[in-house]
Amino acid sequence: QVQLQLSGPGLLKPSQTLSLTCAISGDSVSSTGAGWNWIRQSPSRGLEWLGRTYYRSRWYYEYAVSLKSRITINPDTSKNQFSLHLKSVTPEDTAVYYCAREWGGGCDYWGQGTLVTVSS
Amino acid sequence: QSALTQPASVSGSPGQSITISCTGTSSDIGAYNYVSWYQHHPGKAPKLMIYEVNNRPSGVPDRFSGSKSGNTASLTISGLQAEDEADYYCSSYTSSNTLPFGGGTKLTVL
Repeated sequence: QVQLQLSGPGLLKPSQTLSLTCAISGDSVSSTGAGWNWIRQSPSRGLEWLGRTYYRSRWYYEYAVSLKSRITINPDTSKNQFSLHLKSVTPEDTAVYYCAREWGGGCDYWGQGTLVTVSS
Repeated sequence: QSALTQPASVSGSPGQSITISCTGTSSDIGAYNYVSWYQHHPGKAPKLMIYEVNNRPSGVPDRFSGSKSGNTASLTISGLQAEDEADYYCSSYTSSNTLPFGGGTKLTVL
């Protein structure tokens, strides 16, 4: 059974960097069949895909076009986890953030979600 | 603004069938069979209901089915039940190597 455990701060000030980590159990971040995604949900925007990383002989990184200048997703094979870094946050980045495993074209396992609030 | 267009809301009575559409382009839904559907109850993590257009993960009732025609994908729920009331989102792989979601559809069971 795959489990994803999210961790990271829940309150940020504008212009700071949002950093979240998703620890994986029951699978490997280096799995050649999986993709590791970050997704957020807000009342105003619904579900929003942020980006993903996956390993297929080499590491791939794919990001939402609207966030490409601010986002980085990194795998950490030594700790079997992956992280999200989002620079220069604004109140528009306030949302519930999820990590999720993608397998066979769908995200089948999700972390518990964590509310991140951006406020001065 | 979502790349994939869904109706804002649909409704149906218990036992009835409803269909939620998801309209994209020839660069996403029309180009790939990587369409998925998610059920989202407020306060919970989204749940995968359909992947690769018409495949159900283990444990998802066969009342849920998916299809695709051209640039439009559809989720059909037959035999509506009260517990089906939720928000539903589609997602598709795109030629830009992204996985956007639709804007979401609120299903109300009357």
